[in-house]
Amino acid sequence: KAGVTQTPRYLIKTRGQQVTLSCSPISGHRSVSWYQQTPGQGLQFLFEYFSETQRNKGNFPGRFSGRQFSNSRSEMNVSTLELGDSALYLCASSTGDHTGELFFGEGSRLTVL
Amino acid sequence: AQSVTQPDIHITVSEGASLELRCNYSYGATPYLFWYVQSPGQGLQLLLKYFSGDTLVQGIKGFEAEFKRSQSSFNLRKPSVHWSDAAEYFCAVGPNAGKSTFGDGTTLTVKP
Repeated sequence: KAGVTQTPRYLIKTRGQQVTLSCSPISGHRSVSWYQQTPGQGLQFLFEYFSETQRNKGNFPGRFSGRQFSNSRSEMNVSTLELGDSALYLCASSTGDHTGELFFGEGSRLTVL
Repeated sequence: AQSVTQPDIHITVSEGASLELRCNYSYGATPYLFWYVQSPGQGLQLLLKYFSGDTLVQGIKGFEAEFKRSQSSFNLRKPSVHWSDAAEYFCAVGPNAGKSTFGDGTTLTVKP
C-alpha cells in the first residue's frame, strides 16, 4: 500500500508569510502526527490528530496549527514565519492505538529567508 | 517530563564489526521505547519497539535492543555492521507512538 505522502517536498518563504503543508497518511490510518526537525533542536513533537481531533500537542507557539479532515489527511499551517521556522517538517501516520508504529513521510523542507 | 539521551553524537565502526548505540531515558511510568533510522533526505523508519514482555527485542535489518529498567537504558545492537547501515539513529520514548520524545540522534559512519 502507498506510504505517507507529504507535499510540497521543498519550499522557500520569506519572513512574515504563512505556509501550509499537507500530509496524506497510509490508507486506514486515523492518526497523524507532526514533528519539526532542525540541526539545533532535533526532532520536536508539534501535535497529533486522531479522527479529526487534536489529541496531543507539543510546546510550540500558536503560530503553528493543524487540522485533520474526514479522510484522515492532515494539514499544518505556520503563520507569520520566522527565520527559526526553517526546518524539515515530518508527518507520521499510525493506526492511533497506543502501540501503533509510526510511519513517516519524507518530509517537507521549509526555508525561511 | 520524559526525556531521551543519546550520549554518542557520532560513531564510526568498520564494516563487519559489532555496533552498540546507547540510549537512556527518563519517564515516570512504564515507557514505550522505539529505535528509528533515518537515511539522508528520508523520513524515519522504525527499527524496533518495546512495550512489555521480553526485554530483548528483535527488529528489522538484524538489529536488536535490550530494555534495562534498572539502568533506564534501551541500547541498540547489531553483531555485524554493513555499509548500508550508515545513517542517523534515533531513540524515542513515549506514552504512545503518536506522541514520542526523541533523542538527538547518533550518526553512524561505516568504514570499508
